[in-house]
Amino acid sequence: GQNIDQPTEMTATEGAIVQINCTYQTSGFNGLFWYQQHAGEAPTFLSYNVLDGLEEKGRFSSFLSRSKGYSYLLLKELQMKDSASYLCAVRVLPPNTGGFKTIFGAGTRLFVKA
Amino acid sequence: SQTIHQWPATLVQPVGSPLSLECTVEGTSNPNLYWYRQAAGRGLQLLFYSVGIGQISSEVPQNLSASRPQDRQFILSSKKLLLSDSGFYLCAWSVGPRSYEQYFGPGTRLTVT
Repeated sequence: GQNIDQPTEMTATEGAIVQINCTYQTSGFNGLFWYQQHAGEAPTFLSYNVLDGLEEKGRFSSFLSRSKGYSYLLLKELQMKDSASYLCAVRVLPPNTGGFKTIFGAGTRLFVKA
Repeated sequence: SQTIHQWPATLVQPVGSPLSLECTVEGTSNPNLYWYRQAAGRGLQLLFYSVGIGQISSEVPQNLSASRPQDRQFILSSKKLLLSDSGFYLCAWSVGPRSYEQYFGPGTRLTVT
């Protein structure tokens, strides 16, 4: 089956660095996403990794290791507005189907405190 | 620029009543369209996706259905709602070479009582 695991909640301090981990067991892997979702709002796209390594985009970085089925999202210089849920999602290409599908994890709720 | 609309924003419906949620996309052609449901504290569950008019793929057997009567219109329906249908319904679109990148609408929060 397809499975994505990430911590339920994390707390960090304003100005600090936090790393949110995600492990996955899927077949037909074709990339990994991170989305940010504020309470009551729609998710917004943060990053997409298809190859191993680190992708940096401003204060946010995302890492992927396909051999380990592992990714993390790194948030630097935390701000209060970073308090949100962070969703790890995997893009897969199931056999004998019409195309790609995206499987989402349950999300990690990040609380940033002053 | 592209925008995606969903309505209504919130909805409270009794068990057994029908449902119709609408999603429209502006500023793009031939988008891939998706319906997701997010239960409280849970991840997004893909319900339906469509690669073109009249082309609907269902991911999860349920009492919901979807239709795509126009290129940029996607409708989620039910004839009889269940309590378990409560959740946050999100429509999303993607297109072109970066079709892996999905953009979500504002969502509809449905409460079935």
